[in-house]
Amino acid sequence: SAVISQKPSRDICQRGTSLTIQCQVDSQVTMMFWYRQQPGQSLTLIATANQGSEATYESGFVIDKFPISRPNLTFSTLTVSNMSPEDSSIYLCSVEYISNYGYTFGSGTRLTVV
Amino acid sequence: GDSVTQMEGPVTLSEEAFLTINCTYTATGYPSLFWYVQYPGEGLQLLLKATKADDKGSNKGFEATYRKETTSFHLEKGSVQVSDSAVYFCASANQAGTALIFGKGTTLSVSS
Repeated sequence: SAVISQKPSRDICQRGTSLTIQCQVDSQVTMMFWYRQQPGQSLTLIATANQGSEATYESGFVIDKFPISRPNLTFSTLTVSNMSPEDSSIYLCSVEYISNYGYTFGSGTRLTVV
Repeated sequence: GDSVTQMEGPVTLSEEAFLTINCTYTATGYPSLFWYVQYPGEGLQLLLKATKADDKGSNKGFEATYRKETTSFHLEKGSVQVSDSAVYFCASANQAGTALIFGKGTTLSVSS
């Protein structure tokens, strides 16, 4: 399975600022997925990022708030823009791997907005 | 749309007790089904999976069988340990290239 390096692992940010989260995969993957896990909750899909095209956002998530970059088949970034305390969550990236079919997750970014 | 429903916790058991966490799915086709585990302070780890009806996934003493007739994928373990204390997520993927859809998660607490 693929191995994902996600950073930062945690951050405390001031409201109104932006944070960019990076995910680096050790192999080329077609699809990368970004999730949010609010405190004590399950994972909610934010968007799907396909290399070379605009990300596809789920209902309730917009590009202006969560812009995504996918410059190549091993890397993606998610930016949380104009943050408010309600954005305090864990953000995770995920990739699908074809051999022995499954999904791998990054270790997550724990974001606290103050 | 597709969805996953799992029993809500917390589930509290004594060591060596039998564990069942129920999970059912709704999907337009025949999804692949997964159980993920999140230990305290750690990331998500794949526990087991099944990609077609009647498949049984197993790992670390945990088992789950893909039941198409009941659209279920219940997680079981015959004898839990304190180290099994974690949050367990049931998830489905309708086809290759699509994201996982997660249930709400079930917190398991095992005491000695």
